[in-house]
Amino acid sequence: NAGVMQNPRHLVRRRGQEARLRCSPMKGHSHVYWYRQLPEEGLKFMVYLQKENIIDESGMPKERFSAEFPKEGPSILRIQQVVRGDSAAYFCASSPPLTGGNQPQHFGDGTRLSIL
Amino acid sequence: QKEVEQNSGPLSVPEGAIASLNCTYSDRGSQSFFWYRQYSGKSPELIMFIYSNGDKEDGRFTAQLNKASQYVSLLIRDSQPSDSATYLCAVNFAGANNLFFGTGTRLTVIP
Repeated sequence: NAGVMQNPRHLVRRRGQEARLRCSPMKGHSHVYWYRQLPEEGLKFMVYLQKENIIDESGMPKERFSAEFPKEGPSILRIQQVVRGDSAAYFCASSPPLTGGNQPQHFGDGTRLSIL
Repeated sequence: QKEVEQNSGPLSVPEGAIASLNCTYSDRGSQSFFWYRQYSGKSPELIMFIYSNGDKEDGRFTAQLNKASQYVSLLIRDSQPSDSATYLCAVNFAGANNLFFGTGTRLTVIP
Protein backbone atom coordinates (compact mmCIF):
# COMPACT_ATOMS: atom_id res chain seq x y z
CA ASN A 1 0.00 0.00 0.00
CA ALA A 2 1.66 3.20 -1.19
CA GLY A 3 -0.77 5.48 0.65
CA VAL A 4 -0.35 7.39 3.91
CA MET A 5 -0.26 4.85 6.72
CA GLN A 6 -1.44 5.69 10.21
CA ASN A 7 -1.58 3.50 13.27
CA PRO A 8 -3.23 2.62 15.42
CA ARG A 9 -6.66 3.13 13.83
CA HIS A 10 -8.28 3.33 17.25
CA LEU A 11 -6.64 4.19 20.54
CA VAL A 12 -8.21 4.23 23.98
CA ARG A 13 -6.46 5.90 26.87
CA ARG A 14 -7.38 6.84 30.41
CA ARG A 15 -6.98 10.39 31.63
CA GLY A 16 -3.37 11.10 32.50
CA GLN A 17 -1.86 8.47 30.19
CA GLU A 18 0.23 9.13 27.11
CA ALA A 19 -0.94 8.67 23.52
CA ARG A 20 1.44 8.04 20.62
CA LEU A 21 0.14 8.27 17.08
CA ARG A 22 2.26 7.19 14.13
CA CYS A 23 2.26 8.21 10.50
CA SER A 24 4.28 7.04 7.51
CA PRO A 25 3.93 9.34 4.49
CA MET A 26 3.05 8.25 1.01
CA LYS A 27 6.00 6.85 -0.95
CA GLY A 28 8.01 9.70 -2.43
CA HIS A 29 6.52 12.27 -0.05
CA SER A 30 8.72 14.02 2.47
CA HIS A 31 6.31 16.55 4.00
CA VAL A 32 3.99 15.50 6.82
CA TYR A 33 1.09 17.43 8.30
CA TRP A 34 -1.01 16.57 11.34
CA TYR A 35 -4.62 17.70 11.65
CA ARG A 36 -7.22 17.18 14.36
CA GLN A 37 -10.94 16.80 13.76
CA LEU A 38 -13.25 17.19 16.72
CA PRO A 39 -16.79 15.78 16.47
CA GLU A 40 -18.97 17.91 14.17
CA GLU A 41 -16.07 20.31 13.52
CA GLY A 42 -13.70 20.92 10.65
CA LEU A 43 -10.13 19.77 10.33
CA LYS A 44 -7.69 21.97 12.23
CA PHE A 45 -4.01 22.14 11.39
CA MET A 46 -1.60 21.19 14.16
CA VAL A 47 1.95 20.83 12.83
CA TYR A 48 3.99 20.54 9.64
CA LEU A 49 7.22 18.55 9.55
CA GLN A 50 9.92 17.47 7.18
CA LYS A 51 12.55 14.87 8.02
CA GLU A 52 14.22 15.87 11.30
CA ASN A 53 12.64 19.34 11.20
CA ILE A 54 9.52 20.96 12.58
CA ILE A 55 8.64 23.60 10.00
CA ASP A 56 5.44 25.02 11.46
CA GLU A 57 3.85 24.12 14.78
CA SER A 58 1.54 27.12 15.01
CA GLY A 59 -1.52 24.90 15.48
CA MET A 60 -0.12 22.79 18.28
CA PRO A 61 -1.37 23.32 21.83
CA LYS A 62 1.44 24.82 23.89
CA GLU A 63 1.45 22.07 26.48
CA ARG A 64 1.34 18.26 26.41
CA PHE A 65 1.57 17.95 22.61
CA SER A 66 4.73 17.27 20.63
CA ALA A 67 5.63 15.92 17.22
CA GLU A 68 8.68 14.54 15.50
CA PHE A 69 9.68 13.12 12.15
CA PRO A 70 13.00 11.32 12.60
CA LYS A 71 15.46 10.49 9.88
CA GLU A 72 14.35 6.87 10.05
CA GLY A 73 10.84 5.73 10.83
CA PRO A 74 7.41 7.30 10.97
CA SER A 75 6.32 10.68 12.21
CA ILE A 76 5.04 10.57 15.79
CA LEU A 77 2.42 12.79 17.40
CA ARG A 78 2.69 12.48 21.16
CA ILE A 79 0.09 13.63 23.66
CA GLN A 80 1.10 13.51 27.29
CA GLN A 81 -1.29 13.41 30.26
CA VAL A 82 -4.34 13.11 28.03
CA VAL A 83 -7.62 14.73 29.00
CA ARG A 84 -11.19 14.11 27.83
CA GLY A 85 -10.99 17.07 25.45
CA ASP A 86 -8.23 15.31 23.49
CA SER A 87 -10.78 12.81 22.17
CA ALA A 88 -10.84 13.36 18.44
CA ALA A 89 -9.80 11.96 15.09
CA TYR A 90 -6.18 12.75 14.30
CA PHE A 91 -5.28 12.73 10.63
CA CYS A 92 -1.89 12.76 9.02
CA ALA A 93 -1.39 14.03 5.49
CA SER A 94 1.64 14.04 3.23
CA SER A 95 2.71 15.95 0.15
CA PRO A 96 5.56 15.75 -2.35
CA PRO A 97 8.96 17.37 -1.72
CA LEU A 98 8.03 20.75 -3.18
CA THR A 99 7.90 23.97 -1.22
CA GLY A 100 4.91 25.38 0.58
CA GLY A 101 1.42 24.22 1.41
CA ASN A 102 0.08 24.64 -2.08
CA GLN A 103 0.67 21.03 -3.03
CA PRO A 104 -2.19 18.55 -2.78
CA GLN A 105 -2.14 16.75 0.53
CA HIS A 106 -3.17 13.12 0.78
CA PHE A 107 -4.63 11.87 4.03
CA GLY A 108 -4.23 8.68 5.98
CA ASP A 109 -7.15 6.82 7.53
CA GLY A 110 -6.66 8.61 10.83
CA THR A 111 -6.41 7.57 14.46
CA ARG A 112 -9.56 7.80 16.54
CA LEU A 113 -8.47 8.67 20.05
CA SER A 114 -10.90 8.08 22.88
CA ILE A 115 -10.17 9.19 26.43
CA LEU A 116 -11.96 7.41 29.25
CA GLN B 1 -8.69 36.23 10.54
CA LYS B 2 -8.27 33.40 8.07
CA GLU B 3 -11.61 31.78 7.36
CA VAL B 4 -13.14 29.30 4.97
CA GLU B 5 -16.92 29.31 4.90
CA GLN B 6 -19.24 26.61 3.66
CA ASN B 7 -22.96 26.06 4.02
CA SER B 8 -23.23 23.04 6.32
CA GLY B 9 -26.32 21.75 4.55
CA PRO B 10 -27.66 19.19 4.32
CA LEU B 11 -27.95 19.61 0.58
CA SER B 12 -30.28 17.10 -1.00
CA VAL B 13 -30.43 16.45 -4.74
CA PRO B 14 -32.15 13.72 -6.75
CA GLU B 15 -30.07 11.09 -8.50
CA GLY B 16 -28.89 12.32 -11.88
CA ALA B 17 -29.10 16.02 -10.97
CA ILE B 18 -26.26 18.51 -10.63
CA ALA B 19 -25.05 19.17 -7.09
CA SER B 20 -23.51 22.60 -6.51
CA LEU B 21 -21.29 23.13 -3.49
CA ASN B 22 -19.98 26.56 -2.60
CA CYS B 23 -17.12 27.96 -0.56
CA THR B 24 -15.87 31.45 0.25
CA TYR B 25 -12.55 32.39 1.80
CA SER B 26 -11.17 35.43 3.53
CA ASP B 27 -7.70 35.96 2.05
CA ARG B 28 -7.58 37.53 -1.39
CA GLY B 29 -3.96 36.44 -1.80
CA SER B 30 -4.75 32.73 -1.56
CA GLN B 31 -3.31 30.64 -4.37
CA SER B 32 -4.41 27.04 -3.97
CA PHE B 33 -7.84 25.52 -3.47
CA PHE B 34 -8.86 21.95 -2.80
CA TRP B 35 -12.03 19.90 -2.53
CA TYR B 36 -12.09 16.78 -0.37
CA ARG B 37 -14.82 14.21 0.06
CA GLN B 38 -15.26 12.62 3.48
CA TYR B 39 -17.58 9.72 4.12
CA SER B 40 -18.83 9.34 7.67
CA GLY B 41 -16.11 7.91 9.89
CA LYS B 42 -13.56 7.93 7.08
CA SER B 43 -10.64 10.10 6.05
CA PRO B 44 -10.76 13.06 3.63
CA GLU B 45 -10.20 12.02 0.01
CA LEU B 46 -8.85 14.56 -2.49
CA ILE B 47 -11.34 15.18 -5.29
CA MET B 48 -10.09 18.26 -7.10
CA PHE B 49 -7.58 21.06 -6.81
CA ILE B 50 -7.51 24.35 -8.70
CA TYR B 51 -5.02 27.19 -8.83
CA SER B 52 -6.24 29.47 -11.64
CA ASN B 53 -9.43 31.42 -12.22
CA GLY B 54 -12.01 29.61 -14.29
CA ASP B 55 -13.19 26.05 -14.52
CA LYS B 56 -11.35 22.77 -14.16
CA GLU B 57 -13.10 19.56 -15.13
CA ASP B 58 -12.34 15.98 -14.13
CA GLY B 59 -14.95 13.42 -15.04
CA ARG B 60 -18.25 14.32 -13.37
CA PHE B 61 -16.56 16.97 -11.21
CA THR B 62 -15.95 20.62 -12.10
CA ALA B 63 -14.18 23.06 -9.83
CA GLN B 64 -14.80 26.76 -10.42
CA LEU B 65 -12.61 29.52 -9.03
CA ASN B 66 -13.25 33.26 -8.91
CA LYS B 67 -10.42 34.95 -7.02
CA ALA B 68 -11.93 38.43 -7.36
CA SER B 69 -15.03 37.25 -5.51
CA GLN B 70 -13.02 34.93 -3.23
CA TYR B 71 -15.29 32.09 -4.20
CA VAL B 72 -14.68 28.49 -5.18
CA SER B 73 -17.31 25.92 -6.05
CA LEU B 74 -17.62 22.24 -6.90
CA LEU B 75 -20.19 20.92 -9.34
CA ILE B 76 -21.05 17.24 -9.44
CA ARG B 77 -22.88 16.21 -12.60
CA ASP B 78 -25.11 13.14 -12.83
CA SER B 79 -25.10 12.80 -9.03
CA GLN B 80 -25.10 9.26 -7.70
CA PRO B 81 -26.15 7.94 -4.27
CA SER B 82 -22.49 7.03 -3.74
CA ASP B 83 -21.68 10.76 -3.89
CA SER B 84 -23.52 11.21 -0.58
CA ALA B 85 -20.83 12.47 1.77
CA THR B 86 -19.48 15.61 3.38
CA TYR B 87 -17.49 17.82 1.01
CA LEU B 88 -14.68 19.85 2.51
CA CYS B 89 -13.31 23.00 0.94
CA ALA B 90 -9.66 23.69 1.79
CA VAL B 91 -7.55 26.76 1.06
CA ASN B 92 -3.84 27.38 1.27
CA PHE B 93 -3.67 30.99 2.40
CA ALA B 94 -0.79 33.11 1.17
CA GLY B 95 2.34 32.50 3.24
CA ALA B 96 0.86 29.53 5.09
CA ASN B 97 2.25 26.02 5.05
CA ASN B 98 -0.98 24.29 5.84
CA LEU B 99 -4.54 24.00 4.56
CA PHE B 100 -7.45 25.78 6.20
CA PHE B 101 -10.64 23.75 6.02
CA GLY B 102 -14.27 24.73 6.01
CA THR B 103 -16.62 22.75 8.20
CA GLY B 104 -17.98 20.95 5.16
CA THR B 105 -21.26 20.60 3.32
CA ARG B 106 -23.20 17.39 3.78
CA LEU B 107 -24.61 16.16 0.47
CA THR B 108 -27.35 13.57 0.16
CA VAL B 109 -28.22 12.17 -3.27
CA ILE B 110 -31.69 10.69 -3.23
CA PRO B 111 -32.23 7.59 -5.41
